[in-house]
Amino acid sequence: GAGVSQTPSNKVTEKGKYVELRCDPISGHTALYWYRQSLGQGPEFLIYFQGTGAADDSGLPNDRFFAVRPEGSVSTLKIQRTERGDSAVYLCASSSRGNTEAFFGQGTRLTVV
Amino acid sequence: GDSVTQMEGPVTLSEEAFLTINCTYTATGYPSLFWYVQYPGEGLQLLLKATKADDKGSNKGFEATYRKETTSFHLEKGSVQVSDSAVYFCALSGGSGGSNYKLTFGKGTLLTVNP
Repeated sequence: GAGVSQTPSNKVTEKGKYVELRCDPISGHTALYWYRQSLGQGPEFLIYFQGTGAADDSGLPNDRFFAVRPEGSVSTLKIQRTERGDSAVYLCASSSRGNTEAFFGQGTRLTVV
Repeated sequence: GDSVTQMEGPVTLSEEAFLTINCTYTATGYPSLFWYVQYPGEGLQLLLKATKADDKGSNKGFEATYRKETTSFHLEKGSVQVSDSAVYFCALSGGSGGSNYKLTFGKGTLLTVNP
């Protein structure tokens, strides 16, 4: 595709609900990243995929957060039992390899009410 | 761990003014340094980067020099335009023996340029 695509662009959910956020990387990019940007802060690393496997998930804040990339392309970030503190913009990025320029999507703004 | 501190905003300038946005970092080793820009309604874009000490990154009239002695990577532009209005993020990767793929960002600086 032309760029990294994230859906939905906005998501409002009730506290305690489950949400899924989707990322379509640039075609052919093997590396995929998720970041979280809270209000007034810079993006914070969550997880890095190389192909289908999570090469580094050290940034996931707790076990309510999980991400998959089953076919090495599209990735889904899953958040269980959402809390108000999970409200943030979730950014996805991809790159051709793990240490080359990362291209970011526009993000999904998650609001937990 | 690694960290990036950048000038707090917002910064408001008139067109053709000189721009400096300060950025300092804390990291051991030899990180790579970046400036990203986020225009209204768009995703983060890499503006420029430098991978070793004394390197100068440049793009679209913006420049930043990797100063290891002062652990700084200040962003400058000689004459800003209205179209430069955006949020600017300083970032690093590969510091403290960390991985090159993981970016550590500053909080961002909102720049508004008035005609």
